Amino acid sequence: SQTIHQWPATLVQPVGSPLSLECTVEGTSNPNLYWYRQAAGRGLQLLFYSVGIGQISSEVPQNLSASRPQDRQFILSSKKLLLSDSGFYLCAWKGFNEQFFGPGTRLTVL
Amino acid sequence: QKEVEQNSGPLSVPEGAIASLNCTYSDRGSQSFFWYRQYSGKSPELIMFIYSNGDKEDGRFTAQLNKASQYVSLLIRDSQPSDSATYLCAVNGGGADGLTFGKGTHLIIQP
Repeated sequence: SQTIHQWPATLVQPVGSPLSLECTVEGTSNPNLYWYRQAAGRGLQLLFYSVGIGQISSEVPQNLSASRPQDRQFILSSKKLLLSDSGFYLCAWKGFNEQFFGPGTRLTVL
Repeated sequence: QKEVEQNSGPLSVPEGAIASLNCTYSDRGSQSFFWYRQYSGKSPELIMFIYSNGDKEDGRFTAQLNKASQYVSLLIRDSQPSDSATYLCAVNGGGADGLTFGKGTHLIIQP
C-alpha cells in the first residue's frame, strides 16, 4: 500500500531564514505530487505540482520553490522566509483521480 | 479563477441525526468532486468522490452531485461524535489536476 511521509512535523523559524521541507512517497511509481498550504482562515491552496523528476510547475507566485530530485521525493524550499509563509504545508500524491495527503508540516515564522 | 464555496459553520447536529453539508463551485467544466474530513491539527483524509450526477453511497456517507446547479453535498447518516470535524469540498481542474478546495464546514455532533 502507498504511504506518504513528511518532515519535520513542526518547525519554528525566524523571518529571513531558509526553509527545506521534505516529502517522500512509498508504494507507487511516477506519481503526480503536490504541495498545498493551509494558512489560518484560508482554504487549502495548491502551490506546486510535479508530474515527474525535475518537472515543477508553480500555481501561484510566491517566496517558495520546489524540487523533485527523485521519483518519490518532493522538496519545498525558501531562501528567506516571510511572516506570511506561516501555515500548514501538505504534500499529496495522486492516485487514479483522487489525492492523498501526508501528515503535514506546521510552519511558524516569527 | 475557480472557486469553491462552503458555509463555514459551525453546523451543530444531534447524535444520530443526518448531517447535511453543502458546496457550490464556479467552473462548469469541473469533472470530479471530492469530500475530505479534517480533524483539528491533522491532514485531510478522503471520504469519497463523485463524478456523475446523482447520488453515491458509501456506508453512512452519501455524496450528491447536481452539475446543472453546480452543487455538491455530503450527507452523513446516524451522525456520531467522532464525525465532529471540518469537512472540505474540492473540485479538480487545477494544474496537472490539482484540486481547488473550499474553506470547509465545521461540523459539531452533539451527544
